[in-house]
Amino acid sequence: SAVISQKPSRDICQRGTSLTIQCQVDSQVTMMFWYRQQPGQSLTLIATANQGSEATYESGFVIDKFPISRPNLTFSTLTVSNMSPEDSSIYLCSVLQGEKLFFGSGTQLSVL
Amino acid sequence: GENVEQHPSTLSVQEGDSAVIKCTYSDSASNYFPWYKQELGKRPQLIIDIRSNVGEKKDQRIAVTLNKTAKHFSLHITETQPEDSAVYFCAASNEGNYQLIWGAGTKLIIKP
Repeated sequence: SAVISQKPSRDICQRGTSLTIQCQVDSQVTMMFWYRQQPGQSLTLIATANQGSEATYESGFVIDKFPISRPNLTFSTLTVSNMSPEDSSIYLCSVLQGEKLFFGSGTQLSVL
Repeated sequence: GENVEQHPSTLSVQEGDSAVIKCTYSDSASNYFPWYKQELGKRPQLIIDIRSNVGEKKDQRIAVTLNKTAKHFSLHITETQPEDSAVYFCAASNEGNYQLIWGAGTKLIIKP
């Protein structure tokens, strides 16, 4: 399976600021995704990061709040903008290899 | 749309006993069913998956069974060990739709 590096691993941020999370894969992948996992909850898909085009967002998530970049087939970023305490969560990037989904190590975000 | 229900939410078993987690899906077109294990503070890891053309799949102490007629699939862990303690998630997707629909998760506790 692909090696997926995600950083930062954790951060504590002030409300109103923004944080950019990076996801690097050691091989080219077509499909990359960003998930959010709130404490004790299941995984919620934020968006599909499309290489060379705008990301596709799920219901309840908007580009202004969660802008995503996908400049090539091995890298993507997710920005959490204008943060509030409700954005405190774990953010996970993931990649599809064949039909199997693999996850990065996650970013634990706390917003004060 | 597709919905995946997972039961129980918490399962406590004696070390050495078996554990069974069940999921039910709603979309009869679903044909891919992975199971993920997430240890505390770690990323979800794919532990076993099954496609709809197979009724059962086994990998050492873990197995997954699928009943397409009843639209449910189950994870079986035999001879449980302390390291099996984790949250387990089931998911479902259908061919052509790469997005996984996730169950709510089961916290498995192995009692010594």
